[in-house]
Amino acid sequence: DSGVTQTPKHLITATGQRVTLRCSPRSGDLSVYWYQQSLDQGLQFLIQYYNGEERAKGNILERFSAQQFPDLHSELNLSSLELGDSALYFCASSAGGGRTEAFFGQGTRLTVV
Amino acid sequence: DAKTTQPPSMDCAEGRAANLPCNHSTISGNEYVYWYRQIHSQGPQYIIHGLKNNETNEMASLIITEDRKSSTLILPHATLRDTAVYYCIVRVNNDMRFGAGTRLTVKP
Repeated sequence: DSGVTQTPKHLITATGQRVTLRCSPRSGDLSVYWYQQSLDQGLQFLIQYYNGEERAKGNILERFSAQQFPDLHSELNLSSLELGDSALYFCASSAGGGRTEAFFGQGTRLTVV
Repeated sequence: DAKTTQPPSMDCAEGRAANLPCNHSTISGNEYVYWYRQIHSQGPQYIIHGLKNNETNEMASLIITEDRKSSTLILPHATLRDTAVYYCIVRVNNDMRFGAGTRLTVKP
């Protein structure tokens, strides 16, 4: 158990819909990362937050947005969903900075039908 | 864009040491080398990290060359459960981007 909790574990929704994925970081971790992993593909970095502020942005689509709340949990919002958005979405947390290791949750498997 | 280069796949016999190489020729002085692995579709698992000295923990050893342009992750006694995709990344602050990794297959 990494200490990072992601909910829900599985999500099935229709094209055009909007969903919210939730991530609770390890206790004390200030940094949260989001990744997308399509079937048999690599981990695509989406976005990172540190203590409520956006710190780094990767290949995140404009239809996607994220935020980190004062209690440090984070949400990834995916809207106008397309079939190609079907993927595993992982959240990771770390204490912050490049000197600290990150720990990953078990992911949310999103299926768009 | 990942800053590392790894072989796409490797095999290792069970019980033998697995040596996974990584090239990071453009690494800067304050960037750390990190290794993670992903077993099937589980969340990636942290293994080890280092700056310039060799590091060892209960899972593995990390050997970083003196010029820091490459490193090797060593699993001393590979088991079937070590079959996974192994990722080498370099980072200093916020960015944590993964490349394609090396798919290690441990064979009986």
